[in-house]
Amino acid sequence: SYDLTQPPSVSVSPGQTARISCSGDALTNQYAYWYQQKPGQAPVLIIYKDTERPSGIPERFSGSSSGTTVTLTISGVQAEDEADYHCQSADSSGIYGVFGGGTKLTVL
Amino acid sequence: EVQLVQSGAEVKKPGESLKISCKGSGDRFSNYWIGWVRQMPGKGLEWMGIIFPGDSDSRYSPSFQGQVTISADKSISTVYLQWTSLQASDTAMYYCAGTLETGNWYFDLWGRGTLVTVSS
Repeated sequence: SYDLTQPPSVSVSPGQTARISCSGDALTNQYAYWYQQKPGQAPVLIIYKDTERPSGIPERFSGSSSGTTVTLTISGVQAEDEADYHCQSADSSGIYGVFGGGTKLTVL
Repeated sequence: EVQLVQSGAEVKKPGESLKISCKGSGDRFSNYWIGWVRQMPGKGLEWMGIIFPGDSDSRYSPSFQGQVTISADKSISTVYLQWTSLQASDTAMYYCAGTLETGNWYFDLWGRGTLVTVSS
């Protein structure tokens, strides 16, 4: 089992907005991070510290946080955004990291 | 630019031992914490543990504490993940990954992965 809960799958049409949630008690006092993983590739960090975007990540990717839930929003979804998305945080004491089970984004 | 180069794929039998490696390059490698992430076939990512090669300070997820050992040789900028007795359930892709930040345990630098297959 995973310490963070994500929906297994989300489907959207091109140009629409995709929202992927991630929930867990530790999110009340720990930052959340999001990774994109395409088949056969290593994950790539796309959001850090709840809302920050690393350089080179398109502006259509954004993150938000409210209580025990964080959300990754992809505005104007493109076909190339089809991938698995993983949320990550730390345990409530900040001793070790934890992941969600991952969400498969399908672009219809 | 720091890069992480992982050792090649391994095929092992249950009960055998294994040590896989992750070698860093670049001037800033000494500032990085290096961790290991497991991905079983068709599954999500699992945070295993992390080490600071400079002083071998390490943290483990409770799920992996006692099951694996993470070590480092700072003289050759290499971090290791070791098993003493593999099981079929250890079959997975293992990624090494790095972070400059202590305590947040996220990764902004990734290796390409080492596939470990354990089968009789």
